[in-house]
Amino acid sequence: QKEVEQDPGPLSVPEGAIVSLNCTYSNSAFQYFMWYRQYSRKGPELLMYTYSSGNKEDGRFTAQVDKSSKYISLFIRDSQPSDSATYLCAMSEDNYQLIWGAGTKLIIKP
Amino acid sequence: GAVVSQHPSRVICKSGTSVKIECRSLDFQATTMFWYRQFPKQSLMLMATSNEGSKATYEQGVEKDKFLINHASLTLSTLTVTSAHPEDSSFYICSARSGTGPYGYTFGSGTRLTVV
Repeated sequence: QKEVEQDPGPLSVPEGAIVSLNCTYSNSAFQYFMWYRQYSRKGPELLMYTYSSGNKEDGRFTAQVDKSSKYISLFIRDSQPSDSATYLCAMSEDNYQLIWGAGTKLIIKP
Repeated sequence: GAVVSQHPSRVICKSGTSVKIECRSLDFQATTMFWYRQFPKQSLMLMATSNEGSKATYEQGVEKDKFLINHASLTLSTLTVTSAHPEDSSFYICSARSGTGPYGYTFGSGTRLTVV
């Protein structure tokens, strides 16, 4: 079993829809949770991050962490074609090593 | 913000030749850089951690003699794929610590290596 599970997709939704992206994990020691966005043939860029449980909102993006269920989510409201990318979750126990999900390819159809 | 420049973005080489990929931190000093490999629909796989002025630390299963890493300065790390084979074809990404905590990583734009 992988430490972090993420459905690779692709996930295709119409423009304007609410998108839900998710990761599950098995290591209860993870405390730091991140979402990265990766455009085709580019490196990942940090989109959102949270520490421990709870929600965090930034514009159209909301990150949620449910440590009791070992489940994290990223919601995108009013999705735009420019949101089309691969979204990777990453987690860390400490200050250092990141454990990555496989990434979900998201396609927003105009 | 912090920028990591990675070159080349794409390279095609013949089987048996060597390829060098450069990773530069443009506006900050990076004592530690990281090299990843990414396959389609798979997680980023950490290959090695590169420390300025010392030997790189390789992850289990990564061949040190095949993937040579040099971190000669605080702004430059290089990955050389030696005697490349088609199975080495992949997307290679470097990263550097540009801040504190697990959020403080900046990634290069990646290198698509195709070995023919």
